Amino acid sequence: SQKIEQNSEALNIQEGKTATLTCNYTNYSPAYLQWYRQDPGRGPVFLLLIRENEKEKRKERLKVTFDTTLKQSLFHITASQPADSATYLCALLYSNYQLIWGAGTKLIIKP
Amino acid sequence: DGGITQSPKYLFRKEGQNVTLSCEQNLNHDAMYWYRQDPGQGLRLIYYSQIVNDFQKGDIAEGYSVSREKKESFPLTVTSAQKNPTAFYLCASSSDRVNQPQHFGDGTRLSIL
Repeated sequence: SQKIEQNSEALNIQEGKTATLTCNYTNYSPAYLQWYRQDPGRGPVFLLLIRENEKEKRKERLKVTFDTTLKQSLFHITASQPADSATYLCALLYSNYQLIWGAGTKLIIKP
Repeated sequence: DGGITQSPKYLFRKEGQNVTLSCEQNLNHDAMYWYRQDPGQGLRLIYYSQIVNDFQKGDIAEGYSVSREKKESFPLTVTSAQKNPTAFYLCASSSDRVNQPQHFGDGTRLSIL
């Protein structure tokens, strides 16, 4: 069965540094991958989408890479700020409208 | 502003009781979804609907029911058959094209009395 793994341990980063989060998947070759941010008690908010034929995608301080050989996506936040503290979720397209979701990684940016 | 509204924010269920969670969107999206989120787990799909008057079961549909009588509305009923209903429930919508992002409401937290 399809499986997505994100680091379950919280990631602590000093303000101003680059935060890197990992999303690994098995048994599947998704056409695209999405990253979302979720704050406590709120619904996820879409950040970036990257397709299988794209190696890298950028949006302001955010960068996503997609390595279909390693079956891995990396999510980077440069010049991190305390306001970036949240849980970040990755999701893969499973079939037509269905996504498979990782459990998310909690990011804590310390001032 | 367009968006998705879920209500209530908190809900308590008694033994043997059915409860209904509301989800309304004004984004003119055709597709709508219901997810369940438990601590330490990814979102799990309960039901989804691609068009009015049509819906499909997701991975964990047992003990739940839905309806899609209007494009804007996709209510979820948690029936008494769902023995472990305590969770955070999220409703989402997307346009009818594949690979479009999903837009979420702010969830309903359901607990057992």
